[in-house]
Amino acid sequence: GQNIDQPTEMTATEGAIVQINCTYQTSGFNGLFWYQQHAGEAPTFLSYNVLDGLEEKGRFSSFLSRSKGYSYLLLKELQMKDSASYLCAVRTGGYQKVTFGTGTKLQVIP
Amino acid sequence: SQTIHQWPATLVQPVGSPLSLECTVEGTSNPNLYWYRQAAGRGLQLLFYSVGIGQISSEVPQNLSASRPQDRQFILSSKKLLLSDSGFYLCAWIWGRGETQYFGPGTRLLVL
Repeated sequence: GQNIDQPTEMTATEGAIVQINCTYQTSGFNGLFWYQQHAGEAPTFLSYNVLDGLEEKGRFSSFLSRSKGYSYLLLKELQMKDSASYLCAVRTGGYQKVTFGTGTKLQVIP
Repeated sequence: SQTIHQWPATLVQPVGSPLSLECTVEGTSNPNLYWYRQAAGRGLQLLFYSVGIGQISSEVPQNLSASRPQDRQFILSSKKLLLSDSGFYLCAWIWGRGETQYFGPGTRLLVL
């Protein structure tokens, strides 16, 4: 089976940088997704990594190390609207199965 | 462009009643389809996924079932709801080896 771990909660200050980690133990790894989910809403896609390294998209970057079973989401220049849950998900088994971690609730404070 | 629909948006059902939630996708063909459930304050639990018509993989043995009668239609059902079935049900799709999984707006189910 899959085991995907994230910190439960984090707090960071507006304008700062925060790194949210995700570790996983899976077989048949075929990519890792990051999503943002505001309370009461569906998740929205942030990034996808399938090869090792850093992918940058504006204020958001995502890193993957397949050998270590490790990824992180980096949020720069934090804004109050970034307060949300951030979900890590791993795709396995021939590009079919996508399993989520428990999510990290981020609170941005002034 | 692709669109994913779910209905109803909100549902209140008594314990022991049946359930049918529908998800349809527009603007793509032969997508991989997924049903997730999210309990209050929790992560997303994968319930079922499908790679084609009539092909269903079940992740969690429970009183729920899924069907895919058409390429872009995915249905979640139950014959008798339990209190523990309450939650936020999300349908999602990916096209093949696509790099983005798109979510529908979700159905909020409360079982009383």
